[in-house]
Amino acid sequence: DQQVKQNSPSLSVQEGRISILNCDYTNSMFDYFLWYKKYPAEGPTFLISISSIKDKNEDGRFTVFLNKSAKHLSLHIVPSQPGDSAVYFCAASAYGTQGGSEKLVFGKGTKLTVNP
Amino acid sequence: DTGVSQDPRHKITKRGQNVTFRCDPISEHNRLYWYRQTLGQGPEFLTYFQNEAQLEKSRLLSDRFSAERPKGSFSTLEIQRTEQGDSAMYLCASSLFGTNEKLFFGSGTQLSVL
Repeated sequence: DQQVKQNSPSLSVQEGRISILNCDYTNSMFDYFLWYKKYPAEGPTFLISISSIKDKNEDGRFTVFLNKSAKHLSLHIVPSQPGDSAVYFCAASAYGTQGGSEKLVFGKGTKLTVNP
Repeated sequence: DTGVSQDPRHKITKRGQNVTFRCDPISEHNRLYWYRQTLGQGPEFLTYFQNEAQLEKSRLLSDRFSAERPKGSFSTLEIQRTEQGDSAMYLCASSLFGTNEKLFFGSGTQLSVL
């Protein structure tokens, strides 16, 4: 039962254009969403996050949009650069009974290739 | 901030052997997580600690796996009687409880069971 789904295994865009990566989730208890970026042989690195009380969060070239009714979020990268080529993971967590967020649940990732 | 450190980076072992991995979290972080990642998949939760207490273990974690975090500092993950299906990247992450925390990951330990 995959609670976080990234249905596109790969995406290829031209340098300077917009990259849009999508993520769907099924667990309505999720209230915090994150995007991680991963290069080969390295651990994932945090990119951007959004709380369920917001529908948009922006950080430089990266913007995350959240549509709670559709249980969908997307990551926009504008403009895309060759250095953005990596695997992008969507992750979600729920506020736990212990207080604070509980474990992150990850999607399978989307491999982004930005061509010069 | 020296980041999350994992040791070793790579481990090759024969089926049936025991292996142990170490993780040193970011010093002020009180939560520590272990994840496993296989090719084409996202990181899969194994277990996590708050300070020295192990708060949750995944149902996927068989009895051959055990994790400890003595004194709430570094953590070890041991796999006994390794099987070929244990081959994966084992990722450690840490966070600061109560900050709607994002996890900071180490570079992982790549385990190959022959």
